[in-house]
Formats: sequence, C-alpha cells, structure tokens
Amino acid sequence: EAQVTQNPRYLITVTGKKLTVTCSQNMNHEYMSWYRQDPGLGLRQIYYSMNVEVTDKGDVPEGYKVSRKEKRNFPLILESPSPNQTSLYFCASSPSGWGTEAFFGQGTRLTVV
Amino acid sequence: AQSVAQPEDQVNVAEGNPLTVKCTYSVSGNPYLFWYVQYPNRGLQFLLKYITGDNLVKGSYGFEAEFNKSQTSFHLKKPSALVSDSALYFCAVRDRGGGFKTIFGAGTRLFVKA
Repeated sequence: EAQVTQNPRYLITVTGKKLTVTCSQNMNHEYMSWYRQDPGLGLRQIYYSMNVEVTDKGDVPEGYKVSRKEKRNFPLILESPSPNQTSLYFCASSPSGWGTEAFFGQGTRLTVV
Repeated sequence: AQSVAQPEDQVNVAEGNPLTVKCTYSVSGNPYLFWYVQYPNRGLQFLLKYITGDNLVKGSYGFEAEFNKSQTSFHLKKPSALVSDSALYFCAVRDRGGGFKTIFGAGTRLFVKA
C-alpha cells in the first residue's frame, strides 16, 4: 500500500530534550515536506526537500532541522524543543514539487512541557 | 507576500443543498492550486487541483472547483452536500515561478446537517 508513515503518532517531551520524528514514504517520491498545523493558522511549511541531499527552508524553520540522506526518509529533528513547538506535525511527499499533489502522513501530535 | 485566504472559519449547509467553500490567494504569476480535506484524527487527503486549462476542475467525491484568474479565487463547490462531507477543508497554492514552497489557508470547517 502506498503510504507516508510517521512515527511516533503521539509524543510528550520536556523542554530541551532532543527528539526526532521519522517520516518514510514507499512511493519513490522526489519531493518531501514537513508542516505544522496550529488552530486558526492552517498548515505552515517547516522544511522541504526536492531530492536526496537537497533541502530548503519553508516559512517556519526556526528550531527545526531536517536531513535527506535517502530518498524514502525525511526525519524532522528538534534539537532543543520548546513549548511553542507543541503542535500537530505532518510529513508529506509528492512525485515532484511542481503540479503534483501531496500524500500526507497520519500526523504526530507533539507536546513539549 | 504570498498568502492564501479562506474567509470563512465555518460553513454550515443542509444535506442535499449545494455548498461552496471560498479561497482567494495572493501569489505572483500563475500558481498551482489545490484543495485538501482533513477528517478527524487523519492526515490531509487530496481532493482536486488546477494546473492549466479548463477553469472548472472536477475532483474526488463529487467536488469541483472553479479557478478565476481575475479574482484570484479557487472556490470549492459541490452540487449536493452529504453529512459525510463534514470535515476541515484546506486550500493550498504553490508558485510555479520558482521554488517549491506551498502555502496553505487556515482551513474552513464544513458542517452538513441532516
């Protein structure tokens, strides 16, 4: 089954404790992206990647890191999480970054206390 | 600055009535336009997109959207709403002029009453 898989689905952590949210897609898509969803703000793009070893900042990259060492994986790293990073996070992939639609993961609900 | 506006936080319609969820955008050039739907505790699902050509685009589950270049709008429509259409709807745009950023609207919650 074609899918985007995120782990974990739920995570509660403490301020400053490094964490990684994994994202993997099995569709051989070139383009991958991370978003955060906050009430009243919709989805905001954090980082995106056009292909292996090619990443760029979205609209809200502060406090986040990403890497794209393999085509299928695009982990999101929070080096020192803060409470304002409490949010619902989505990973998405698409065949290309142009006119192709995105396939979304199920989401990761992160709470930083 | 590029932006997407969904002017209604919530839209209420009766089952069987037509529905419209509005989206306007401010993006340079001719963007790619998308609609996605989110059901509770789920990720977003693609509904339809406008790339080029006919201004009326048909998508999944009987939804369609009309692209209006002069008004920079891309409103989502359905002739006859179902209770199962109740969900959160997002409009998104991607500038085809360069870069791969995607901008989403804040979302519109659709309630369809039986």
